[in-house]
Amino acid sequence: EDQVTQSPEALRLQEGESSSLNCSYTVSGLRGLFWYRQDPGKGPEFLFTLYSAGEEKEKERLKATLTKKESFLHITAPKPEDSATYLCAVQDTTGGSYIPTFGRGTSLIVHP
Amino acid sequence: GAVVSQHPSRVICKSGTSVKIECRSLDFQATTMFWYRQFPKQSLMLMATSNEGSKATYEQGVEKDKFLINHASLTLSTLTVTSAHPEDSSFYICSARDQGQGDSPLHFGNGTRLTVT
Repeated sequence: EDQVTQSPEALRLQEGESSSLNCSYTVSGLRGLFWYRQDPGKGPEFLFTLYSAGEEKEKERLKATLTKKESFLHITAPKPEDSATYLCAVQDTTGGSYIPTFGRGTSLIVHP
Repeated sequence: GAVVSQHPSRVICKSGTSVKIECRSLDFQATTMFWYRQFPKQSLMLMATSNEGSKATYEQGVEKDKFLINHASLTLSTLTVTSAHPEDSSFYICSARDQGQGDSPLHFGNGTRLTVT
């Protein structure tokens, strides 16, 4: 059974204070790891897909990296508008359902 | 691209009534759509997989007679909460991916906040 663990559960940063969010996973064979951002009362918004260890993706102040056991979402010089819950999900190679398993998310608050 | 529209965004209904939630893929076709439920500070809980032209697949513990799913076309799936009770109050979110792209990410609607009084 696929497992996804995100840490920390909550993170408070000052504006400009860089940090990283962690997503540890266990899958039989990784078919994709996805990062989403979710604002309160909204559906998750897709950010990145990573497929293989060593891969990196960047978008504005966010950078996602992937190893064989975990992924990091690095936030450089965050702004208050980066405050949201960040969800990680993995999809494995078994079966044909292509249903990702989600972690519980990290709630990020960036103070001005 | 890959926009999923969900309506209504919030609904309040009385106990015992039914509520229908619509999920549409606006710029792509989706043979499969997914319905999730989310509790406060919890992750997404998959309720069922909606399959165009066939019966939905429900996750263990989800009552199929209570949560009716219809996927009549490649761009529309509906979730009907029948005989709603206060414990059905929750945030329901649908998602879909572009047909034939199994490795691609899911794209989500903006969710429906259901309150049963």
